[in-house]
Amino acid sequence: AQKVTQAQTEISVVEKEDVTLDCVYETRDTTYYLFWYKQPPSGELVFLIRRNSFDEQNEISGRYSWNFQKSTSSFNFTITASQVVDSAVYFCALSPAGTASKLTFGTGTRLQVTL
Amino acid sequence: EAGVVQSPRYKIIEKKQPVAFWCNPISGHNTLYWYRQNLGQGPELLIRYENEEAVDDSQLPKDRFSAERLKGVDSTLKIQPAELGDSAVYLCASSSRYGENSYEQYFGPGTRLTVT
Repeated sequence: AQKVTQAQTEISVVEKEDVTLDCVYETRDTTYYLFWYKQPPSGELVFLIRRNSFDEQNEISGRYSWNFQKSTSSFNFTITASQVVDSAVYFCALSPAGTASKLTFGTGTRLQVTL
Repeated sequence: EAGVVQSPRYKIIEKKQPVAFWCNPISGHNTLYWYRQNLGQGPELLIRYENEEAVDDSQLPKDRFSAERLKGVDSTLKIQPAELGDSAVYLCASSSRYGENSYEQYFGPGTRLTVT
């Protein structure tokens, strides 16, 4: 069985602060994909990143960075210099490798960025 | 390129009434998904279609839920009769097997259902 845990229910930060969203996963699959999605108030889930389990390199995209550590089954997401537009619910998800079709989502972390 | 289209965006019905949701996926996407998202939770897969075939409907409550994708393009999800516990956001997503972004799921805005 697959499971994704996002222990942080809600985080509030002031604009320009850095913030890290935690994600811990469980799977018996030897190869799998990990994802992060953003869900703004409009409701539409927006894809941010997909990471294959055999690629443990960290990734940076602008103000976003992801830290994948297979040894601790974690795939954490950091926003540097947060902005009000980053306010949203962020979901971590997991799927078996191959088709990436069976997504298991965590319960999400609500990020509130204030001025 | 147009995204995943869903309608209606909001629906309020009384319990025991039927309700239907419609989804039009991104053009060319062969895989279509229906998810249910309860308040404060992540989406949970209800059913997945490969073209017109339902290949994973293990989480679909078949006593009251049904879905179809007759021509392998748009899809309808129906609940009959609705129960109070069906209040949730119903999300549709689509993906393609081909190209640089193969298998990435693109989500629609969802239909927020309230059953009173």
